[in-house]
Amino acid sequence: SQKIEQNSEALNIQEGKTATLTCNYTNYSPAYLQWYRQDPGRGPVFLLLIRENEKEKRKERLKVTFDTTLKQSLFHITASQPADSATYLCAPPTGRRALTFGSGTRLQVQP
Amino acid sequence: DTEVTQTPKHLVMGMTNKKSLKCEQHMGHRAMYWYKQKAKKPPELMFVYSYEKLSINESVPSRFSPECPNSSLLNLHLHALQPEDSALYLCASSQDRQGGGYNSPLHFGNGTRLTVT
Repeated sequence: SQKIEQNSEALNIQEGKTATLTCNYTNYSPAYLQWYRQDPGRGPVFLLLIRENEKEKRKERLKVTFDTTLKQSLFHITASQPADSATYLCAPPTGRRALTFGSGTRLQVQP
Repeated sequence: DTEVTQTPKHLVMGMTNKKSLKCEQHMGHRAMYWYKQKAKKPPELMFVYSYEKLSINESVPSRFSPECPNSSLLNLHLHALQPEDSALYLCASSQDRQGGGYNSPLHFGNGTRLTVT
């Protein structure tokens, strides 16, 4: 069956460092993948979309890569700030369905 | 503030009650979604409406009944819920229905926190 895996352990980093979050998928090949940020008690907020024919996508301090050979997407936040602390969800579509969310990785940026 | 408005923000209901959750968007989106989210878990898809027609029901129990009266509104009618249905219920919209070649981002509301006693 199709699976989406994110590191369920929280990621703790120092302010100013680069945070790297991983999303692995198995048993299928999504045509695109989206990343969302979710703060406690609030709905997810869309950050970036990357298509299978794009190796990399950037938006300000955010960068996403999509390796269809490794079946993996990496999400980077450079020069991280305490305000970046949140849960980050990867979301590829499954088949013709709507998005399926990975379990999310909680990022904590220490000042 | 989000462009998708959900009411109420919090709801406590007994197992014999009937209540409704409401969702509204004015972005002209033609796809609307209900997701359920338990604590420390990702959102799980419940229903998708595309052009006001139900296009996906993820085998949700009939005690949850969705309704899309028009392209801007989405309701979720609740009846005879169980305590395990307590969760954050999220509404979302997108320009087109996802899947089948469409990749529109989802715009979420901030949810209704439902507690079933």
